Amino acid sequence: DVKVTQSSRYLVKRTGEKVFLECVQDMDHENMFWYRQDPGLGLRLIYFSYDVKMKEKGDIPEGYSVSREKKERFSLILESASTNQTSMYLCASSLSGTPNQPQHFGDGTRLSIL
Amino acid sequence: AQSVTQLDSQVPVFEEAPVELRCNYSSSVSVYLFWYVQYPNQGLQLLLKYLSGSTLVESINGFEAEFNKSQTSFHLRKPSVHISDTAEYFCAVSERSGYSTLTFGKGTMLLVSP
Repeated sequence: DVKVTQSSRYLVKRTGEKVFLECVQDMDHENMFWYRQDPGLGLRLIYFSYDVKMKEKGDIPEGYSVSREKKERFSLILESASTNQTSMYLCASSLSGTPNQPQHFGDGTRLSIL
Repeated sequence: AQSVTQLDSQVPVFEEAPVELRCNYSSSVSVYLFWYVQYPNQGLQLLLKYLSGSTLVESINGFEAEFNKSQTSFHLRKPSVHISDTAEYFCAVSERSGYSTLTFGKGTMLLVSP
């Protein structure tokens, strides 16, 4: 079974801090994704990566960056956290090849910015 | 670009009653269709998917969805729900020729009461 692990379930940070959210998958998937989930808005794609050191902007990349130095790890970085980045963050991974591959999700990190 | 509309944000239903969760999509190209489920405090899990072939697809826990190309719909149904089906359900699409990114609807919360 695919396992996607997010390093923290709950995180509280202060405005202006640099915040790192970590995600690791154990199934050698090429694709990895970061979403944020807000009530009434569903999931919105922040960034994705289809290979090591490759990244693509999603629908809402502003205020975020990502890093993928190893195939199994995909990090989301909030350069200077702001209160409007308080949200649930979900990481996912999938096999490459065709877009019919399902995405496998971690349990999420609930981030609060004070 | 594609979009997904889930017409109901919340669907309350009694145990053992039938339920239908509606999903309509818009896309200028052919798509794959997915339903994901999110139980409380968990990430998303794939429930079922339509890739090609028979327009009726089924999950292992009694849900089914029918792809209707003319109405651009992919409604999810279950003839008899259980308390344990209480969760949020997300409809999603991906382009057949693009990256493996998903566009999600805003979700429908299914509330099953005794």
